[in-house]
Amino acid sequence: NAGVMQNPRHLVRRRGQEARLRCSPMKGHSHVYWYRQLPEEGLKFMVYLQKENIIDESGMPKERFSAEFPKEGPSILRIQQVVRGDSAAYFCASSLGQGWYEQYFGPGTRLTVT
Amino acid sequence: RKEVEQDPGPFNVPEGATVAFNCTYSNSASQSFFWYRQDCRKEPKLLMSVYSSGNEDGRFTAQLNRASQYISLLIRDSKLSDSATYLCASGGSYIPTFGRGTSLIVHP
Repeated sequence: NAGVMQNPRHLVRRRGQEARLRCSPMKGHSHVYWYRQLPEEGLKFMVYLQKENIIDESGMPKERFSAEFPKEGPSILRIQQVVRGDSAAYFCASSLGQGWYEQYFGPGTRLTVT
Repeated sequence: RKEVEQDPGPFNVPEGATVAFNCTYSNSASQSFFWYRQDCRKEPKLLMSVYSSGNEDGRFTAQLNRASQYISLLIRDSKLSDSATYLCASGGSYIPTFGRGTSLIVHP
């Protein structure tokens, strides 16, 4: 399956712990986007990365959230000291190029903070 | 004003009906447009891209109206399996902007 992979699919963390979400883009894609979705709400852009570069992180909270896309390996979205409000579905998408290309989404990681 | 706006619905239609959704965008520089389908608790899946000349794929037809800045999706002969949320997206810069989606419920 050459689709976008995300893991874990479900993640439960207690308040104050760290959450690490992984995304492997579709084969041949070097552009990765992270989105957050709350129930009954739309997709909220968080960050756009290319290999080893953060291109735009305007949608990401300034504190506790960080993202990377190393030369080797998956893209990582890291949330430190999670709070209940971080509970959401986090989707990763990849594309061949910038915003005018189609994006293909992974199955998402559902984060629950208890 | 939101960049991409959709009527949230729900649109409740019987099987076999024809249903149309519109999506308006505010950025006149947008260059590309897409429709996605999202099932409950699943990821968005690309349904079709929207070209200036329109695009048709089986029962689905997408159109772009640049003058009025909206895109539309027409579904003919609705099936029960078409029940989902339909998201539109516009891309002019490197970050596509998504609407919040229109909910479609097809009933027997």
